[in-house]
Amino acid sequence: DGGITQSPKYLFRKEGQNVTLSCEQNLNHDAMYWYRQDPGQGLRLIYYSQIVNDFQKGDIAEGYSVSREKKESFPLTVTSAQKNPTAFYLCASTKWGAEDTQYFGPGTRLTVL
Amino acid sequence: QQPVQSPQAVILREGEDAVINCSSSKALYSVHWYRQKHGEAPVFLMILLKGGEQKGHDKISASFNEKKQQSSLYLTASQLSYSGTYFCGTEPQAAGNKLTFGGGTRVLVKP
Repeated sequence: DGGITQSPKYLFRKEGQNVTLSCEQNLNHDAMYWYRQDPGQGLRLIYYSQIVNDFQKGDIAEGYSVSREKKESFPLTVTSAQKNPTAFYLCASTKWGAEDTQYFGPGTRLTVL
Repeated sequence: QQPVQSPQAVILREGEDAVINCSSSKALYSVHWYRQKHGEAPVFLMILLKGGEQKGHDKISASFNEKKQQSSLYLTASQLSYSGTYFCGTEPQAAGNKLTFGGGTRVLVKP
């Protein structure tokens, strides 16, 4: 089955620690995205990548970092510089340039203790 | 700039209709509609492209007014399963699949 997987589903972190969220897709999609969603709010773009070894900042990139070493994988690191990291994090992917939509993974809920 | 959705919330009885609007201040190439259940990922409903036709899936349809840079989602004869938060994602001209999402419209369908 093709799809997008995110792990873990729930993640707890102590203040001052970095944590990495995993996102993998086997849809052969070119572009991948990371969004943050706060309770009762919409989705805000953190980073996105159109091709391997290249990525761009979204609207709220401060305190986050990403890598795109493989087409299938786009991990997100939430660093200690992120002031308020508790949120629901969603990964998405799409075929770049095609008239297609973004498909989302199941999400990771991060809580800072 | 984030598109504006209205209303912010709506409560329906099963079988009633509702309209959700999504307005942008920018010229748009496409509008994407999603529904999200609590604690889950957004699920794609439909995409409307500039110059394209009104779309429909079951009793949910949508239109795209290019002159007004506005899209509307129509929930017809609502079912309990229609409950959730509806988001529009807008793509400006030549943005290349990069979407900006509205704040969402919460829909609750009661028996």
